[in-house]
Amino acid sequence: EIVLTQSPATLSLSPGERATLSCRASQGIATFLAWYQQKPGQAPRLLIYDASNRATDIPARFSGSGSGTDFTLSISSLEPEDFAVYYCQQRSKWPLTFGGGTKVEMK
Amino acid sequence: QVQLVESGGGVVQPGGSLRLSCTVSGFTFSNYGMHWVRQAPGKGLEWVAFIPYDEVSKYYADSVKGRFTIYRDNSKNTLYVQMNSLRAEDTAVYYCARKLDGYNHFDYWGQGTLVTVSS
Repeated sequence: EIVLTQSPATLSLSPGERATLSCRASQGIATFLAWYQQKPGQAPRLLIYDASNRATDIPARFSGSGSGTDFTLSISSLEPEDFAVYYCQQRSKWPLTFGGGTKVEMK
Repeated sequence: QVQLVESGGGVVQPGGSLRLSCTVSGFTFSNYGMHWVRQAPGKGLEWVAFIPYDEVSKYYADSVKGRFTIYRDNSKNTLYVQMNSLRAEDTAVYYCARKLDGYNHFDYWGQGTLVTVSS
């Protein structure tokens, strides 16, 4: 199965700062990668699909890039509501797999 | 608006069975593939199973293959997963999620239902 490795595990930042999250795949997955945000006690929310496409109603401060094995989720200027856990997910091959998550916490 | 509501979770003994349901509204259920995804307490997300809109090819995670069965009733707008031979490691919040049209990503999720496997 395709293993997705997210880094860092935790990112400590202040509101207004830029966040850069990484997801690395164990083999090439073209652009078949999505990003989700999850807040405590809530279901995940789709942010980005196929590496760089923002999902419906997702603010422009969220952007995704990458292809092959290396992917990045960027949040240009953190808002208070952006502090959460972020997961990447690949759809290149079955079984679908998720990364272990990156927690973005307030500094 | 799109809504997915899971039900059927609870406490079950190891080796037992449970059936989860996911009732949807706000979209044409029969046109969409559907997934189950789970999350063990304090852990990350794990994809469990997928059923396409036409039920032709179903897929399962290796961890549940042969024990879980995903199926749907389009007349009732409801997705199911039958879980047999449950193990402690199946303890998790189970989410149903809609397949993003054209992509095997998940665009809408339910609120989840907790399954606890314990004696």
